[in-house]
Amino acid sequence: GENVEQHPSTLSVQEGDSAVIKCTYSDSASNYFPWYKQELGKGPQLIIDIRSNVGEKKDQRIAVTLNKTAKHFSLHITETQPEDSAVYFCAARDSSYKLIFGSGTRLLVRP
Amino acid sequence: SAVISQKPSRDICQRGTSLTIQCQVDSQVTMMFWYRQQPGQSLTLIATANQGSEATYESGFVIDKFPISRPNLTFSTLTVSNMSPEDSSIYLCSVEWEGNIQYFGAGTRLSVL
Repeated sequence: GENVEQHPSTLSVQEGDSAVIKCTYSDSASNYFPWYKQELGKGPQLIIDIRSNVGEKKDQRIAVTLNKTAKHFSLHITETQPEDSAVYFCAARDSSYKLIFGSGTRLLVRP
Repeated sequence: SAVISQKPSRDICQRGTSLTIQCQVDSQVTMMFWYRQQPGQSLTLIATANQGSEATYESGFVIDKFPISRPNLTFSTLTVSNMSPEDSSIYLCSVEWEGNIQYFGAGTRLSVL
């Protein structure tokens, strides 16, 4: 079955700097890759996603890139702000429609 | 997008008791899911709630411990039965919307004493 690995587990950046979180997946049949942000006491919130027929997608300060050959995808956050501090999860939708989640990255943006 | 309401938002329960968590969606959806998130951990799929039929459970989860109901296309319940402290987790309901996008409820934070 699908396996998703996520790195780093924690990331601390200065406000205004960029943050990059990386994920790899194992099932070449996976075709949909969402990213979720989870703030303390809340459920995961979808922030951006990408499908296997696209290499990059951008939404304001957030971008996601996908390398199907290498089976990895990354989240890029530019001009980080303190409100970006949260836990971020990557996921891959496998051939049986289930979402398999990475282990999460705790991002801290220092003011 | 779908709006998902989960109740209760949190609860503290005694071991050996059961808790039923409700998930209500503002639109009809085919796919509903229940996840468990143990403290500081990632999300693990418990089961897919199927409308009109028995839920499909993932490896490591059984119906006797986590019975699920799905009486219609907007509502589902998850019961955590015969609870022990190891069941202390966040339980999350999600739905699959257009384009295979999954939206999550706010979760139920369960502590078992």
